[in-house]
Amino acid sequence: AQSVSQHNHHVILSEAASLELGCNYSYGGTVNLFWYVQYPGQHLQLLLKYFSGDPLVKGIKGFEAEFIKSKFSFNLRKPSVQWSDTAEYFCAVKGGSQGNLIFGKGTKLSVKP
Amino acid sequence: EPEVTQTPSHQVTQMGQEVILRCVPISNHLYFYWYRQILGQKVEFLVSFYNNEISEKSEIFDDQFSVERPDGSNFTLKIRSTKLEDSAMYFCASSEQGAGNYGYTFGSGTRLTVV
Repeated sequence: AQSVSQHNHHVILSEAASLELGCNYSYGGTVNLFWYVQYPGQHLQLLLKYFSGDPLVKGIKGFEAEFIKSKFSFNLRKPSVQWSDTAEYFCAVKGGSQGNLIFGKGTKLSVKP
Repeated sequence: EPEVTQTPSHQVTQMGQEVILRCVPISNHLYFYWYRQILGQKVEFLVSFYNNEISEKSEIFDDQFSVERPDGSNFTLKIRSTKLEDSAMYFCASSEQGAGNYGYTFGSGTRLTVV
């Protein structure tokens, strides 16, 4: 069965610090990978997605993620966070012929001004 | 930008009552989903719906749950007899294709509180 692990439950950073949120998945076949963000009181929004091609994917708001197949990882990065990045971040995987996303437990990011 | 619309944004119901959560997916999308997020826990898949029938459901989606697309635009989730543990944020999502290279568009969610 597919699963997604997000290593950090809560990350606290100061503005301008660099960010890396870990995500590992378990699935042996071809996968589609996603990062979603949920700002306080709002719905899930797609940050970026990987299907094939360049393993370094650039998303909105300066975020990027790198797919490393050998490590089953899809870590999210941002070189310099802002206070407005305070949100919960969810990694999600869709594998094989299934149509549904499997989400990780989420990582709450708090950015101090 | 097209949106998935969910109503109501917050519903409080007594245990044992039936609730219907409503969703209007993006008009040209063909695949519809319900997910839920219990406070402090991860987002969990409930059910996917395509061509007027359930295509997949999780073990959470038991006989108390049902989905319907009654009029070609709305997509509803019904919980027949709510339990305290049904309290959660329920998200509707839609996509153009289920297994293709598309992300899902999520609605804002309905916070269901069972008392």
